[in-house]
Amino acid sequence: GNSVTQMEGPVTLSEEAFLTINCTYTATGYPSLFWYVQYPGEGLQLLLKATKADDKGSNKGFEATYRKETTSFHLEKGSVQVSDSAVYFCALSVNTNAGKSTFGDGTTLTVKP
Amino acid sequence: DTAVSQTPKYLVTQMGNDKSIKCEQNLGHDTMYWYKQDSKKFLKIMFSYNNKELIINETVPNRFSPKSPDKAHLNLHINSLELGDSAVYFCASSQAGSGNTIYFGEGSWLTVV
Repeated sequence: GNSVTQMEGPVTLSEEAFLTINCTYTATGYPSLFWYVQYPGEGLQLLLKATKADDKGSNKGFEATYRKETTSFHLEKGSVQVSDSAVYFCALSVNTNAGKSTFGDGTTLTVKP
Repeated sequence: DTAVSQTPKYLVTQMGNDKSIKCEQNLGHDTMYWYKQDSKKFLKIMFSYNNKELIINETVPNRFSPKSPDKAHLNLHINSLELGDSAVYFCASSQAGSGNTIYFGEGSWLTVV
């Protein structure tokens, strides 16, 4: 079956620190990979995605590269802000799975001023 | 204009009651979902409908019954509410296909007392 494993939280950083949240996956077929972000009191929203190997998704200073050889999609940001405090979910979807996406357990990030 | 809207946003009710959560999407998507998020932020898919047809029905108590009157609506009815049903319920939608983004509503916070 498909699965997503992401770095356990919570993660606490100071403003302007470098962020990495690790995400690895197992999948049958060729998945598309996603990072979703959930700000406090809100629903999840897409942060970035990549649909094939070696693609890099980027948005709002965040980046993640689809690495097929290591089955990874790690999220990075060079300098976090207080406003980046949120829960981050790594996810995958595969065409063969009747539209079902698989989400990781979420990583809570808190950025302190 | 809200893409995926669900009502009510907050719901406090007593054990044993029956309640419904309504969801509508105006994105023209053919697939809609219900997800449950617990207090640890774990996200679990409950149901998925494609063009009004149920395609994913995870192991969910049969007290939970989804209903899709048309492609743009997916409602969730819960009978005989239990304390363990307290959670945030997210409606979502997407176009079928692995590379497509899932759009989430803002969530319905259900508290059973």
